Amino acid sequence: NAGVMQNPRHLVRRRGQEARLRCSPMKGHSHVYWYRQLPEEGLKFMVYLQKENIIDESGMPKERFSAEFPKEGPSILRIQQVVRGDSAAYFCASSPLSDNPYGYTFGSGTRLTVV
Amino acid sequence: DAKTTQPNSMESNEEEPVHLPCNHSTISGTDYIHWYRQLPSQGPEYVIHGLTSNVNNRMASLAIAEDRKSSTLILHRATLRDAAVYYCILSVDSNYQLIWGAGTKLIIKP
Repeated sequence: NAGVMQNPRHLVRRRGQEARLRCSPMKGHSHVYWYRQLPEEGLKFMVYLQKENIIDESGMPKERFSAEFPKEGPSILRIQQVVRGDSAAYFCASSPLSDNPYGYTFGSGTRLTVV
Repeated sequence: DAKTTQPNSMESNEEEPVHLPCNHSTISGTDYIHWYRQLPSQGPEYVIHGLTSNVNNRMASLAIAEDRKSSTLILHRATLRDAAVYYCILSVDSNYQLIWGAGTKLIIKP
């Protein structure tokens, strides 16, 4: 019974390249959430997706960032033309409910370093 | 935005109870209080949540003040594996758009 799987665990990109972060939710969970964490800070919500739908992207930067959760396969967070300020840990969480007060299951994160 | 205030760090001895405080003086009537913890290099882990009444689960207890302006997470018998950053969080508009602060780093001494 695997938890939320994120890959890669570590990703190094040069400025201007694209970063693709993958998240496979827990079995039976159809709601996926992406968060960003800067060093020594708490998490910041980015986007909430269900299969083939973006439900809430109010935390996503307006440019260069996009997310999808296709009918088949993992959810993808894509960052185009990365800059040094994009260096952070990106966490994905999943839930069986849409607005679940009973806790979200998080993956171990992808640590993006832009050089 | 409703915010929480937590001590930056706390120390406790192994196998003793730990009381982690959190102030949330601007909380509104419908805001849930959530606690998560994050071990080094790991994703956050749900601990407990509550609205008005005290709550217990297998991991911890949550004591909520009568005026709801503060709460305390209680670990009844801390182990070395409980060393983590503990976040006290309010859900304002939704349970996924939680407002995360910097948390309390809990250090457990053997």
